[in-house]
Amino acid sequence: SAVISQKPSRDICQRGTSLTIQCQVDSQVTMMFWYRQQPGQSLTLIATANQGSEATYESGFVIDKFPISRPNLTFSTLTVSNMSPEDSSIYLCSVVASGDEQFFGPGTRLTVL
Amino acid sequence: QKEVEQNSGPLSVPEGAIASLNCTYSDRGSQSFFWYRQYSGKSPELIMFIYSNGDKEDGRFTAQLNKASQYVSLLIRDSQPSDSATYLCAVRGDGAGNNRKLIWGLGTSLAVNP
Repeated sequence: SAVISQKPSRDICQRGTSLTIQCQVDSQVTMMFWYRQQPGQSLTLIATANQGSEATYESGFVIDKFPISRPNLTFSTLTVSNMSPEDSSIYLCSVVASGDEQFFGPGTRLTVL
Repeated sequence: QKEVEQNSGPLSVPEGAIASLNCTYSDRGSQSFFWYRQYSGKSPELIMFIYSNGDKEDGRFTAQLNKASQYVSLLIRDSQPSDSATYLCAVRGDGAGNNRKLIWGLGTSLAVNP
């Protein structure tokens, strides 16, 4: 399985600011995803990060709020823009490598005050 | 709307018993089925996947798939307190684009009592 790292692991931010989360994989992967998981809840897919093109967003998520970059096959960023307390959550990067299985990074715990 | 359903639990079993976790899905075209374990405060960890009808065993874990009845289950034999976690069922459809994304259940909380 791929080794996935995320930075930062956690952050506390003020409302109205933005935070960029980085996801780095140790090998080239075919697909990269960004999820959100709020306390006690299951996973919610934010978007599929597409290499070299715009991300594909799920219903309820927009590019202005969650811009995503994926410049190559091993790296992606998710920005949470103009944050409010409702954005407090764990943000997870996930990848599909050579097979069909999907693996998760350790997550970024975001608290917005 | 494609759905994956799980009992939220908590499912409580004594140490050494068999824990049985169930999941049903609505999309008959689904092709791949996954079980993830998530400890509190940690990210999901893939523990089993199954693609064909029948049973697939890996150590103490057995995944069972019945496509005709649209359910997939996870059995944990000789349950240990360290198995206490939330178990997430995920299903992937066939085809390209959005049909390839995982559809997630809400998870079943398992507590193994010493």
